[in-house]
Amino acid sequence: NAGVTQTPKFRILKIGQSMTLQCAQDMNHNYMYWYRQDPGMGLKLIYYSVGAGITDKGEVPNGYNVSRSTTEDFPLRLELAAPSQTSVYFCASSYRNSYNEQFFGPGTRLTVL
Amino acid sequence: AQRVTQPEKLLSVFKGAPVELKCNYSYSGSPELFWYVQYSRQRLQLLLRHISRESIKGFTADLNKGETSFHLKKPFAQEEDSAMYYCALKGGSEKLVFGKGTKLTVNP
Repeated sequence: NAGVTQTPKFRILKIGQSMTLQCAQDMNHNYMYWYRQDPGMGLKLIYYSVGAGITDKGEVPNGYNVSRSTTEDFPLRLELAAPSQTSVYFCASSYRNSYNEQFFGPGTRLTVL
Repeated sequence: AQRVTQPEKLLSVFKGAPVELKCNYSYSGSPELFWYVQYSRQRLQLLLRHISRESIKGFTADLNKGETSFHLKKPFAQEEDSAMYYCALKGGSEKLVFGKGTKLTVNP
């Protein structure tokens, strides 16, 4: 199993550009999450999904959109990139949720200039 | 509101010394608590969870509901324990709330 994969690993965007961060998992997990990690700030939840076709906002959803058309994929869309979105983005997945660990991807480092 | 506080941003100890990484939480119900670890150039991974009452890599953590704490302890630190440690809380929803993390450095 590849686990949770994320692409790209690094990206530099100009203000106002858009992009999609890809996330996929091959563990048949029904729960998937997107976090951002700013220096010294821990991880903050952006969006999450409890299954295909179901998504919900986390703590910091503004400026992002997600979709979950399949169990495996959970892309994160930035429509109008802003410098405040410079961060490291982590995708995670888990099977159900109670007491089950979240498995994390390697992260995408995004810089918006 | 659910909140996790890790008061130490940085913690440095010598090899063989005891180490304690502090975690306090705020939640009115029955929490589920976890410690996640991120070693250099590796992805974030679960270290242990309170429900399992397990010892992983020599680390233990006891949930103290009276003090609302879930401190991570190891009696004899090793250099390979150097990493970023995050305490996380799940309370009544599908979401994990993470602390800001503590960077542990174990010096030779």
